[in-house]
Amino acid sequence: SQQGEEDPQALSIQEGENATMNCSYKTSINNLQWYRQNSGRGLVHLILIRSNEREKHSGRLRVTLDTSKKSSSLLITASRAADTASYFCATELSRTSGSRLTFGEGTQLTVNP
Amino acid sequence: GAGVSQSPRYKVAKRGQDVALRCDPISGHVSLFWYQQALGQGPEFLTYFQNEAQLDKSGLPSDRFFAERPEGSVSTLKIQRTQQEDSAVYLCASSFVRYTEAFFGQGTRLTVV
Repeated sequence: SQQGEEDPQALSIQEGENATMNCSYKTSINNLQWYRQNSGRGLVHLILIRSNEREKHSGRLRVTLDTSKKSSSLLITASRAADTASYFCATELSRTSGSRLTFGEGTQLTVNP
Repeated sequence: GAGVSQSPRYKVAKRGQDVALRCDPISGHVSLFWYQQALGQGPEFLTYFQNEAQLDKSGLPSDRFFAERPEGSVSTLKIQRTQQEDSAVYLCASSFVRYTEAFFGQGTRLTVV
């Protein structure tokens, strides 16, 4: 079963615009990670945000985390055609042993030149 | 190499054939994960290793699936008597320890005919 759910499922914007994707989850987490996947390729790690953090930045990426609402958002500013990809959030729970990342279904982002 | 390496990239198997998929994690990474990704969906957890110990295999869909990491580095995912529903991309990821960024390989696309 999927812990995270991304919203929207698909997003189409013009180059230069900002793109916002949201992720909701169900149980308390240790951290939440965002990944990008280009068609037919592996997942590329973007940002990890821990449960005691509220916001992180990396270049044109901004991630927020609201643990009270069990939600996260990924903002891509000044989008480029090369940002076209699927974006996934993945949650990792605190466990006594073992580990797993639980992924959502992803948001398909299309940036039109 | 600097990243996670998976081989083969593509595998076509006849129904009933056994297959073995290999993963070379990033050197020194303690944690190793296997995921299965169907077309258009997010990755689904299969199993987790901490060094050579398989701490979680609850995601393996049947007893035809078997994974090992005997020396705590390279891992092999074996699927016996493949069936059409096993067709998917199999992703391997590694992280330094749990609760840190996970890095994914390019995946093995398995097609069972």
